[in-house]
Amino acid sequence: AQSVTQPDIHITVSEGASLELRCNYSYGATPYLFWYVQSPGQGLQLLLKYFSGDTLVQGIKGFEAEFKRSQSSFNLRKPSVHWSDAAEYFCAVGASAGNMLTFGGGTRLMVKP
Amino acid sequence: DAGVIQSPRHEVTEMGQEVTLRCKPISGHNSLFWYRQTMMRGLELLIYFNNNVPIDDSGMPEDRFSAKMPNASFSTLKIQPSEPRDSAVYFCASSLQRNTEAFFGQGTRLTVV
Repeated sequence: AQSVTQPDIHITVSEGASLELRCNYSYGATPYLFWYVQSPGQGLQLLLKYFSGDTLVQGIKGFEAEFKRSQSSFNLRKPSVHWSDAAEYFCAVGASAGNMLTFGGGTRLMVKP
Repeated sequence: DAGVIQSPRHEVTEMGQEVTLRCKPISGHNSLFWYRQTMMRGLELLIYFNNNVPIDDSGMPEDRFSAKMPNASFSTLKIQPSEPRDSAVYFCASSLQRNTEAFFGQGTRLTVV
C-alpha cells in the first residue's frame, strides 16, 4: 500500500525567506507525485507534479520540487516566500496517472511579515 | 471550463436526516473521486469512479454512505442516516484518464447537529 508522510505539521517562515516542505512516500514502483495547496475555505489547487523524466520539476507560483528516489522524497521548495503563500500544503502519491491519490497529513505554512 | 462544481457549499442537518452531496466533474474527464477531509484523519479517499463505474469503494466508512454516478456529468454522495461524526468537508475531484492530476471542487462543508 502506498503512503505519504509530511513530517512538519506547521512551519513558520519570514517573508522573503526560502522554504522547503518535506515529503516522504512509500510505494513499490515509480510513483506519480503531486503537491497541492489549499487556502482556507478553498479546494485543492495543483502546484506541480512528477510523472517521469527530469527529477526537478517546476510548478506554478514559483514553486519547485525534486524527486529523489534513493531517499523516497519529493520536497517542495521556493526561494523567496510571499505572504500570499500562507496556506496548507499537501503531498500526494498515486499509483498511476488518473488513479487514486493518497495524501499526506499536510503542512500548514505561516508567513511572518 | 468552470472546473469541478459541487453543491451545496454548506449543509447543516440534524442527526438522522438524509444528506445528498452533488458533483459535476469537468467535461471530458472520466475519473471521479470523492474525498473527505477532517482535522483528525486528514484527506481520505471514499470512492473512485472510472467511466461512471465504481472501481474502489473501500474508503466508504459505513453502509450509511452510498455514491452513484448515473452519467459522465453527475455524481452524488448520500449519507443516510447522518450522524454528528460525519461532519467534515467533502471534496469531489475529477481527472482525465491516462493523464495528469485530479482537479478538485470547492468542497461541501457538512455539519450534522
